[in-house]
Amino acid sequence: EADIYQTPRYLVIGTGKKITLECSQTMGHDKMYWYQQDPGMELHLIHYSYGVNSTEKGDLSSESTVSRIRTEHFPLTLESARPSHTSQYLCASSPFSGGADEQYFGPGTRLTVT
Amino acid sequence: AQSVTQLGSHVSVSEGALVLLRCNYSSSVPPYLFWYVQYPNQGLQLLLKYTSAATLVKGINGFEAEFKKSETSFHLTKPSAHMSDAAEYFCAVSLGSGNTGKLIFGQGTTLQVKP
Repeated sequence: EADIYQTPRYLVIGTGKKITLECSQTMGHDKMYWYQQDPGMELHLIHYSYGVNSTEKGDLSSESTVSRIRTEHFPLTLESARPSHTSQYLCASSPFSGGADEQYFGPGTRLTVT
Repeated sequence: AQSVTQLGSHVSVSEGALVLLRCNYSSSVPPYLFWYVQYPNQGLQLLLKYTSAATLVKGINGFEAEFKKSETSFHLTKPSAHMSDAAEYFCAVSLGSGNTGKLIFGQGTTLQVKP
């Protein structure tokens, strides 16, 4: 069973605030991903990691940053939130076996910046 | 470069009718293909995946998809729709975790099931 958690589920915050979206998985997966999804739209990869101390930018440019200090934890930080950051953020993880490894998704964090 | 196109952003069927959600892909090498489902306010759940073992892939909840290389398609079907199937469906392509493992998603198709 996939166990990947995201907190908070919903966040409403004012412009200029610093926020951290948490993502944790208990499956020991090496790879982790952050996607941004606007309502009714496709997912866009904004960050990914192959393992501890590895982080890469995704296909969609984002002002957010990530860190991977522990295998199970992949937090996303916005230093100064803006209304343009309003979106849903989905975290995912996958094992690394060289094959068609599916990604397991968390429930998402819906961020609203006022 | 890989890409995915889902034909039809909204599909509406009656309960008990056939469900057909279309997905076409573009890839320079044999791809891995996935269908995910997203219920409101939830993350994505894997329905099925194609890994070249068999062209007809069976997934959860009665869904299946057929890989057709000549048509570069991976359409999702279900013989009889249930009200609980109403959700957003995403097709995705990957070159596999031996490469980056990144998934490229289609735009999504919203399935509406009418009673």
